[in-house]
Formats: sequence, C-alpha cells, structure tokens
Amino acid sequence: NAGVTQTPKFRVLKTGQSMTLLCAQDMNHEYMYWYRQDPGMGLRLIHYSVGEGTTAKGEVPDGYNVSRLKKQNFLLGLESAAPSQTSVYFCASESGETQYFGPGTRLLVL
Amino acid sequence: GQQLNQSPQSMFIQEGEDVSMNCTSSSIFNTWLWYKQDPGEGPVLLIALYKAGELTSNGRLTAQFGITRKDSFLNISASIPSDVGIYFCLGRVGGTSYGKLTFGQGTILTVHP
Repeated sequence: NAGVTQTPKFRVLKTGQSMTLLCAQDMNHEYMYWYRQDPGMGLRLIHYSVGEGTTAKGEVPDGYNVSRLKKQNFLLGLESAAPSQTSVYFCASESGETQYFGPGTRLLVL
Repeated sequence: GQQLNQSPQSMFIQEGEDVSMNCTSSSIFNTWLWYKQDPGEGPVLLIALYKAGELTSNGRLTAQFGITRKDSFLNISASIPSDVGIYFCLGRVGGTSYGKLTFGQGTILTVHP
C-alpha cells in the first residue's frame, strides 16, 4: 500500500512549456485534490474531484486543467507554464474528513 | 473567501519547552484539523476536531476546537528535536468531504537541542 504518490518529484520548465503532474492513490478513495503551496500562503486548492470522471474548480484554478479518467489517478496539467506557477504542488486523497497527502512535486518555471 | 490567521508564523524553542499555536477566523467552521509537514514531505494529519469545545490529545499534542467555532489551538508539551517542521491548521465548512477547505499559513517550529 503506497498511499498517495506523485510524479515527477521535481521539474524545471521554460515559460510557455506544458507538462502534466500525475497523482496516484491505491486506497480506493473517491475524493482527490490538487493544492499548491507557496511561502507565507499556506496550501491553496487548485482543483478537486469527487469521483471518477468528475472535476471541480478550487480557489486558484486559472492556468491549470485536471482530469480524473481513472479513480486512482488525478492529473494536473499546465498548458502554458508561467513563472507565477513556480510552486510546490501537493496531491491529496480523502477518506471521511482525513486527507492523505503525497510527497509533493517541486516545479520551477523560468 | 474565508480567511484563516495562524500564529505565530515561526517559533524557536529549546528542547523540553512547551509550544502553543492557534488559528483564528472571522467565519465559523464545522471541523478543525491540524497537520504537520516535515521538510520535503507532504502534510500528515495530527489531530481532527469535530465539535465546538472538543479537546483532543495525541501523545504530547493537544488540540482544542474553540467554543465560538472560529478558532482552534494546538499545544505541544515537552518538545523534542523531531517536532521540527511546519504545522498547519485546516478549517472545513460542512460535513461533506468536498466542503470548503481553508488552510492556515503555517507555523514553522524549530527546536534547539
């Protein structure tokens, strides 16, 4: 039981490039979330999903897209990366009130 | 949106000292959760609070759900070096899992041996 895993762990992008962050969970949880963490800002919700095939916007969705084609995977896409998207991205899945977080993806956009 | 103020932003303490941190809001929450984040890791749940006035302990950690439902407190007794990390509060509105979530900005704890 690996819990929540995220790939890649670290990535450097140039402005305008695209990429996809993968989150996978093996706990059969329905709810999954993508957050970004910036210094002094706490965790902010980007998008979330309440089940396979469903997604919804969070607090800061602009510049990101998501897909939940399979229950165990939640993908976060950046179509055209901007320096403002330099951050640490955390995925979480949820059971009841408890969120289980992945180890994070550190993204640097130059 | 809802705002959560977490304080202090950082703490530098000696091993063995007690630690207190809190989160306050102008809005009411139905659930308070406290997480710890080790360097380079994702947050891990420490304590969950579901009822106003609730006081819950987890080892050396004690957390309370404020009676007004607008605040919560986390105390760590007899700190040890492995307590180092960032502590977050999370306030939730509504009992459903997709209820609105708001995180505090975090308290960075440093413990000197």
